[in-house]
Amino acid sequence: DAKTTQPTSMDCAEGRAANLPCNHSTISGNEYVYWYRQIHSQGPQYIIHGLKNNETNEMASLIITEDRKSSTLILPHATLRDTAVYYCIARTSYGKLTFGQGTILTVHP
Amino acid sequence: DTAVSQTPKYLVTQMGNDKSIKCEQNLGHDTMYWYKQDSKKFLKIMFSYNNKELIINETVPNRFSPKSPDKAHLNLHINSLELGDSAVYFCASSQVFWGTGELFFGEGSRLTVL
Repeated sequence: DAKTTQPTSMDCAEGRAANLPCNHSTISGNEYVYWYRQIHSQGPQYIIHGLKNNETNEMASLIITEDRKSSTLILPHATLRDTAVYYCIARTSYGKLTFGQGTILTVHP
Repeated sequence: DTAVSQTPKYLVTQMGNDKSIKCEQNLGHDTMYWYKQDSKKFLKIMFSYNNKELIINETVPNRFSPKSPDKAHLNLHINSLELGDSAVYFCASSQVFWGTGELFFGEGSRLTVL
């Protein structure tokens, strides 16, 4: 699975959009980009995933660049409950899910 | 109803003891996993079972023995516990292993070895 690189930490004001970047320059054509988050030592929670096209669900949007070398997770209106560690993972449909260090997102009042 | 449940949530024990952590999922999934999160917060996969069959064993010491009596359960037994086994252990499940479906995680079992 391709290695992903994320900033160690980010801050965001409550109510604003949180944009979390992820670099995956060595991603292969059959690897999906997945995002999970972990809120304070709870079990990780799936957010969204995509292959080439941008994706949106009730939690977030995923923007993948045309060359697929990077992506951005967007939480449109961050709340205090969105404070968590966010993991960006590149994975094939038959591969295991391998977590990196992730980005610690802190949402401030 | 909790989708993936683990017991116990907390476990404190002495070095050298044997302990088990149980996991059950009520999602009807075929695949279950054990992950370990150490003190540095790295989440690493340990095992995966698909339809009760072991498909991933990530060079985990053989003191760790997973057992899957049926598709809904994956238990983790640890023999001769060592200090380095202290961690949070997460169970997870997915509909199938080969696919793009999400993993559902339990709340974790925090093991402390004294």
